[in-house]
Amino acid sequence: AQSVTQPDIHITVSEGASLELRCNYSYGATPYLFWYVQSPGQGLQLLLKYFSGDTLVQGIKGFEAEFKRSQSSFNLRKPSVHWSDAAEYFCASYNNNDMRFGAGTRLTVKP
Amino acid sequence: DTGVSQDPRHKITKRGQNVTFRCDPISEHNRLYWYRQTLGQGPEFLTYFQNEAQLEKSRLLSDRFSAERPKGSFSTLEIQRTEQGDSAMYLCASSSDRGTQYFGPGTRLLVL
Repeated sequence: AQSVTQPDIHITVSEGASLELRCNYSYGATPYLFWYVQSPGQGLQLLLKYFSGDTLVQGIKGFEAEFKRSQSSFNLRKPSVHWSDAAEYFCASYNNNDMRFGAGTRLTVKP
Repeated sequence: DTGVSQDPRHKITKRGQNVTFRCDPISEHNRLYWYRQTLGQGPEFLTYFQNEAQLEKSRLLSDRFSAERPKGSFSTLEIQRTEQGDSAMYLCASSSDRGTQYFGPGTRLLVL
């Protein structure tokens, strides 16, 4: 069965600093991959997705993610974090009607 | 298009009571998903509809849980004889193709 691992439970960065959130998936073939963001008490908002093609995908709010097949990774990056980026971030993989989420990474932004 | 909506946003109930949640998907989406999310965890799949047909159910969906999607539009999730362990956020998502799911705001359930 496929699974998604987000190794970092909590990350703190200073406003204006760069950000990288890690995600590893476990599946034989390449699944569809997603990053979602969730603010407290809210649903999930899609940041970006990877289906195939260019391994560097651009998303909303200045986020990007790079798919690396050799490392089974799909890490999320942002060059300069804003205070409003503080939230919970979830990586997910989808294959054959099966959507699996990681446990999430909580991002705190210091002023 | 106003996105996926869910009602109610919050529900407090006593153990043993029945509760029902509603989800209205994005109008042109034929696929609808229910997830449960507990504190500090990612969403866990519960069940999935394609149009009005319920195609998959997770083992998490005990016999106290039932979901319907009459006419392939809105969906309801009912929990009978609620237990304290049912306290969670219940999320609904819809999609028009394989993979890209758009989520509603969720219904937070607290069972006392």
